[in-house]
Amino acid sequence: NAGVTQTPKFQVLKTGQSMTLQCAQDMNHEYMSWYRQDPGMGLRLIHYSVGAGITDQGEVPNGYNVSRSTTEDFPLRLLSAAPSQTSVYFCASTSRGEWIIMEKLFFGSGTQLSVL
Amino acid sequence: TQLLEQSPQFLSIQEGENLTVYCNSSSVFSSLQWYRQEPGEGPVLLVTVVTGGEVKKLKRLTFQFGDARKDSSLHITAAQPGDTGLYLCAAAPRGENSGNTPLVFGKGTRLSVIA
Repeated sequence: NAGVTQTPKFQVLKTGQSMTLQCAQDMNHEYMSWYRQDPGMGLRLIHYSVGAGITDQGEVPNGYNVSRSTTEDFPLRLLSAAPSQTSVYFCASTSRGEWIIMEKLFFGSGTQLSVL
Repeated sequence: TQLLEQSPQFLSIQEGENLTVYCNSSSVFSSLQWYRQEPGEGPVLLVTVVTGGEVKKLKRLTFQFGDARKDSSLHITAAQPGDTGLYLCAAAPRGENSGNTPLVFGKGTRLSVIA
């Protein structure tokens, strides 16, 4: 199994450009999420989805859009990139299971994004 | 206010030394996880602790969940250069629509083990 696949690995954008970060998982996980990781800030949740057709905002959703048309894919869209969005982005997924006991989050290897 | 406070933020030690890192909160959790992240990769789950007072061992790593389920610690015995990485704790607040509550991560402890 490939697990969680993120593309691209690296991306450089100019301010105002738009782009989509791709995330796909082949484990039939209901739950998918996007985090950004900045130095000294840890992992901050951007958006998440508990199933196809359902999305919700996390801690830092502004400037990002998501959709979940299939179980496998959860793309993250930057509509008008800003330098403040320079970061490393991680997609993660897990089976929903019983949330009283946390399930293992599977992470992709990340996308390093620079906005000039 | 950070839900999960991790300390220390940075730790640099010599190979063979022991160390403990901490994850603290004022909230109660039904369970808590520890992840390790290496440069250029996503975090990888090390352990999930569920029961207050629980102790789990993974080779030279010992994880403890506080009796009150508000804090946790990670102890590494005889650290090796391969232990170098970012250690993150994560939890979902207890009793808050736990079926859909996403994980919250601490800011992490960056460990460097020097040979």
